[in-house]
Amino acid sequence: AQTVTQSQPEMSVQEAETVTLSCTYDTSESDYYLFWYKQPPSRQMILVIRQEAYKQQNATENRFSVNFQKAAKSFSLKISDSQLGDAAMYFCAYRSWGGSEKLVFGKGTKLTVNP
Amino acid sequence: AAGVIQSPRHLIKEKRETATLKCYPIPRHDTVYWYQQGPGQDPQFLISFYEKMQSDKGSIPDRFSAQQFSDYHSELNMSSLELGDSALYFCASSPTSGASYNEQFFGPGTRLTVL
Repeated sequence: AQTVTQSQPEMSVQEAETVTLSCTYDTSESDYYLFWYKQPPSRQMILVIRQEAYKQQNATENRFSVNFQKAAKSFSLKISDSQLGDAAMYFCAYRSWGGSEKLVFGKGTKLTVNP
Repeated sequence: AAGVIQSPRHLIKEKRETATLKCYPIPRHDTVYWYQQGPGQDPQFLISFYEKMQSDKGSIPDRFSAQQFSDYHSELNMSSLELGDSALYFCASSPTSGASYNEQFFGPGTRLTVL
């Protein structure tokens, strides 16, 4: 079974600074998807960014980018120019390429943005 | 853009009662997923449906059942409610083609409180 580990229960960053959230995962599969979801205090789950394992290029969405290291099974999220609205719980998630389509989540990292 | 609709948004029940949660996926999304998120926890996969057939099953108690109807909406039925069933229940939907292929779009959740 796949597992996802987020080793940082809490992180904080100053507004306008850059922060990196860590995620590692364990799988025997060669093809899969990885995601970062944001959950603000409203509890809505919002997709931030996705990465297909077969793609070597790291995904980027505006101020959000990932560092995907397939051999190391690492998938970190970098948030540049942090804004107050970035404060939230961030979940890393894994999904198999075929077979089960369920998302397997890490325990989450709570990000605080200080003004 | 249309989003996933869940109803009710909040539900309070007594122990041993039953509850029905409803989910209306994004139009033309044919796959529906249910997740349970306990307080301070990450979302846990319960069950999924594709084209009205159960496609995967996770850690769903036998007291729970679910189905997807001909209009693709889904219902999660929960019987003999226990205090531990208090959680946020998410429904997510995804298409099987197009640019958002294999992304899961989450609804706002139903907050169930069992007293």
